[in-house]
Amino acid sequence: EAAVTQSPRSKVAVTGGKVTLSCHQTNNHDYMYWYRQDTGHGLRLIHYSYVADSTEKGDIPDGYKASRPSQENFSLILELASLSQTAVYFCASSGDRGYEQYFGPGTRLTVL
Amino acid sequence: GQQVQQSPASLVLQEGENAELQCNFSTSLNSMQWFYQRPGGSLVSLFYNPSGTKQSGRLTSTTVIKERRSSLHISSSQTTDSGTYLCAPPDTNAYKVIFGKGTHLHVLP
Repeated sequence: EAAVTQSPRSKVAVTGGKVTLSCHQTNNHDYMYWYRQDTGHGLRLIHYSYVADSTEKGDIPDGYKASRPSQENFSLILELASLSQTAVYFCASSGDRGYEQYFGPGTRLTVL
Repeated sequence: GQQVQQSPASLVLQEGENAELQCNFSTSLNSMQWFYQRPGGSLVSLFYNPSGTKQSGRLTSTTVIKERRSSLHISSSQTTDSGTYLCAPPDTNAYKVIFGKGTHLHVLP
């Protein structure tokens, strides 16, 4: 059974709309991450968290918010979706300081 | 922060040939993770290798931390090996890893 799940698996959103991507892990891991993947840029870290109720900015946080209401759940929020945020988004979890990461299946977001 | 360089950027093989993928990083730390990604798919962890050599089937990962390099050897390649291989060492000062741009492998039948 998958230890990191994401929902939705794909989404079409309108420019200026609000989008929430959800991630759930059953690994009992403290660390969770949100990445985006674009052709030509590889994987880039948006936000991460190492404890519930706290989030940290990654390398490209602008335009994104994150929420970690519990150890198991980590959400990525696009308050005002833009065309440039069309990408595949991956969630990952890790048990120890970012080492050995486990990825979810990804969410394909298209902003029109 | 950590810098990662993977080579080659792309590789085309005939089925049955072997491949050696390289990953060089700028700061010596104590682990390396290799991932496989099929087009349109998620990242599958192949190896989490603190140091030394690990083997799984036709795949072998060798990491030499003090030389800041890691390699992934694929023996007797198959068409199903086609995809992107990514290495990810930990970053120096944060709770995260840094991804290389990957090696895009295409195995021809």
